[in-house]
Amino acid sequence: AQSVAQPEDQVNVAEGNPLTVKCTYSVSGNPYLFWYVQYPNRGLQFLLKYITGDNLVKGSYGFEAEFNKSQTSFHLKKPSALVSDSALYFCAVRPPGGSYIPTFGRGTSLIVHP
Amino acid sequence: GAGVSQSPSNKVTEKGKDVELRCDPISGHTALYWYRQSLGQGLEFLIYFQGNSAPDKSGLPSDRFSAERTGGSVSTLTIQRTQQEDSAVYLCASSLASGVTDTQYFGPGTRLTVL
Repeated sequence: AQSVAQPEDQVNVAEGNPLTVKCTYSVSGNPYLFWYVQYPNRGLQFLLKYITGDNLVKGSYGFEAEFNKSQTSFHLKKPSALVSDSALYFCAVRPPGGSYIPTFGRGTSLIVHP
Repeated sequence: GAGVSQSPSNKVTEKGKDVELRCDPISGHTALYWYRQSLGQGLEFLIYFQGNSAPDKSGLPSDRFSAERTGGSVSTLTIQRTQQEDSAVYLCASSLASGVTDTQYFGPGTRLTVL
């Protein structure tokens, strides 16, 4: 069975600094990986996904994520954080070969300080 | 275009009462998912619909929970004899198809509070 770990419940960063939100996964075969963001009282919004190809994936709002197969990681990054990036971030994985139900991590709260 | 909508946005009910939560997926999306989000617990899968196929109910926590999807569009999640532990945000998502690479689009959720 697949699993996703987001080891940090909360990440604090100053505005203008780079940010990283960590995600590691466990799945048989090559995974399909997703990042979603949830703003207060809103549903999840899709940020980016890795399917195949280039390990560096670029997504919405200036976010990017790097797929690292050897470390089984898919960390979310942004070069310069904004206060408006403060939200809850979820990593999700789907295994190859057919499970249509993604497994989500528990979420990481990102707080960007002015 | 219109996204996934859910109603009501908030629901407060008394223990033991039944509740119905509604989800309107994006037009043309054949796959529909229900999740439960509890504080600090991430997203818990509940049920999945794909077209006219039998739904995958493997995530429903008890037989008090049921869901239907009429005409391949609107879905209703019903919780009978609600308990305090049912308090959570219930999220609905839809996707164009059910391929593993398909992106899910989420509604804003229904916050259920059971007193």
